[in-house]
Amino acid sequence: GAGVSQTPSNKVTEKGKYVELRCDPISGHTALYWYRQSLGQGPEFLIYFQGTGAADDSGLPNDRFFAVRPEGSVSTLKIQRTERGDSAVYLCASSLTSVGTDTQYFGPGTRLTVL
Amino acid sequence: AQTVTQSQPEMSVQEAETVTLSCTYDTSESDYYLFWYKQPPSRQMILVIRQEAYKQQNATENRFSVNFQKAAKSFSLKISDSQLGDAAMYFCAYRNYQGAQKLVFGQGTRLTINP
Repeated sequence: GAGVSQTPSNKVTEKGKYVELRCDPISGHTALYWYRQSLGQGPEFLIYFQGTGAADDSGLPNDRFFAVRPEGSVSTLKIQRTERGDSAVYLCASSLTSVGTDTQYFGPGTRLTVL
Repeated sequence: AQTVTQSQPEMSVQEAETVTLSCTYDTSESDYYLFWYKQPPSRQMILVIRQEAYKQQNATENRFSVNFQKAAKSFSLKISDSQLGDAAMYFCAYRNYQGAQKLVFGQGTRLTINP
């Protein structure tokens, strides 16, 4: 596709439910990143994939959060037993490689609201 | 850990005038990258300009330029001839040259353009 796409655009769920957020990176991009942006804040890093493997998951807040990228393209961020504090915009980005000069291109994000 | 600070939560400027957004950062690394991203209401982060720390020359992209002061750990963005389409949240971000590939963002500055 032309850019990074994320689905759904908005997700409303109830406390305690399980949610999945999807990211389709730019075709051919090997690196994929997830960030979380709380209201009025800058994005915070969650996890980074190089190919199929998670190269850095140091930003995941706890074991309720998990992400996969089984074929090295599409990635899914999974949140179990959602809490109201998980409400935020979840941004996905991709880059051609993980070399520092490569630009990270962002998707429009998924706004998650936990009631 | 690296940190990025944007001390101006909001800025406003008259159309066609020049405005400067401030950013400071903290790192013990000598080589790194600095970025300014723009986030309009559509939520999609758009790269405005990038600076490599090993380059002494300040980066410029059309109406956008930076003032990079490595010793002071300062990285400001100057927007010349401001246009209504420049209105957005602006985020300063840091990235290591090697190792961790995540972006570390500041809190953002909301820029308003007055017609």
